[in-house]
Amino acid sequence: QKEVEQNSGPLSVPEGAIASLNCTYSDRGSQSFFWYRQYSGKSPELIMFIYSNGDKEDGRFTAQLNKASQYVSLLIRDSQPSDSATYLCAATSGNTPLVFGKGTRLSVIA
Amino acid sequence: SQTIHQWPATLVQPVGSPLSLECTVEGTSNPNLYWYRQAAGRGLQLLFYSVGIGQISSEVPQNLSASRPQDRQFILSSKKLLLSDSGFYLCAWSMVQEAFFGQGTRLTVV
Repeated sequence: QKEVEQNSGPLSVPEGAIASLNCTYSDRGSQSFFWYRQYSGKSPELIMFIYSNGDKEDGRFTAQLNKASQYVSLLIRDSQPSDSATYLCAATSGNTPLVFGKGTRLSVIA
Repeated sequence: SQTIHQWPATLVQPVGSPLSLECTVEGTSNPNLYWYRQAAGRGLQLLFYSVGIGQISSEVPQNLSASRPQDRQFILSSKKLLLSDSGFYLCAWSMVQEAFFGQGTRLTVV
């Protein structure tokens, strides 16, 4: 059974701080990893995609991948109240369906 | 650019009635297509995925079915809805390094 695990949260951080969201996956064949942000009642929107070990930065967001540890993380720098949402991690081994974690709820306190 | 259309946005249906949700993708060819369901406060449950016309894989036994009559069209159907079919239905498409969701259909079965 391919699984993606995330802490459900809520994770509370003060405005301006770094939020760190973590994800582990069970399928060693997973090649591509996605982070989505989902506001309440809305569909998930893609934030980052990563497939190589190491860090990938896009604006305030940094995704980190460690395939040896089967671990993916998302860092949000200078967190804003508008970042408050549920963050979903997903993994795929190519032509297989995206497998999602249950999401981590982030709350940024002004 | 690629666009995914999903409709309707909201739907209220009586128990036992049929269902048809449609999803179309623009700007890409031969995408992988998915139907997910999200119950309130829960994660994304994969219902069906398709790697090509007429090729449908079902992940969860249920009273729902899916069809892909054209390359960029994916339809979710039911002959008789159950109360437990209520939820937020999301269509998604993916290529190797991209995966995007439609706006979702909130289905309430009464």
